[in-house]
Amino acid sequence: EAGVAQSPRYKIIEKRQSVAFWCNPISGHATLYWYQQILGQGPKLLIQFQNNGVVDDSQLPKDRFSAERLKGVDSTLKIQPAKLEDSAVYLCASSLDKTIPYFGPGTRLTVT
Amino acid sequence: GESVGLHLPTLSVQEGDNSIINCAYSNSASDYFIWYKQESGKGPQFIIDIRSNMDKRQGQRVTVLLNKTVKHLSLQIAATQPGDSAVYFCAENKADSWGKFQFGAGTQVVVTP
Repeated sequence: EAGVAQSPRYKIIEKRQSVAFWCNPISGHATLYWYQQILGQGPKLLIQFQNNGVVDDSQLPKDRFSAERLKGVDSTLKIQPAKLEDSAVYLCASSLDKTIPYFGPGTRLTVT
Repeated sequence: GESVGLHLPTLSVQEGDNSIINCAYSNSASDYFIWYKQESGKGPQFIIDIRSNMDKRQGQRVTVLLNKTVKHLSLQIAATQPGDSAVYFCAENKADSWGKFQFGAGTQVVVTP
């Protein structure tokens, strides 16, 4: 069974630029998560989707971050404009139906 | 706010010994817990989970213990191997927020020969 796919794996941008990350969850998984992991810390939930609807986005900085999962399968997370403090690994995870989240390899973002 | 945390940021273990990684949680409403292993440059990998109606669960070389009285969770790794070197996270889920997992800060396990 294929795991969670994410791209790109690495991205370097300047502050105030925009960036987008893509995630393809495990086939059949209804729940999709985006987490932010700052170096030396545990993952922090940004947004949780159930199919194509948002379940929780309480910790998503909505002035600059947006996410969508239009067809209930793959998802994109966008940052516009980026700030230095957005430098982190962005992890996508999926679960069958709010059960065990399985994580992708992450996208390492560096904002200079 | 309520949070999940780990007691020891770094744990050094000799190869072949048993490892014990601890996690404290403060939310008594949490009813489901997962341990993850994260190697450098990779995403967290599921190890084992436990529900609040259990106090012990065993997997291959791993055992998770849950003490709800003191809100404490531990992961025991038997016969630690070099491949066990990683950061270990516990994650909790509250009963009224099904599917929303909150992670602790993590413990770095270093296996020495």
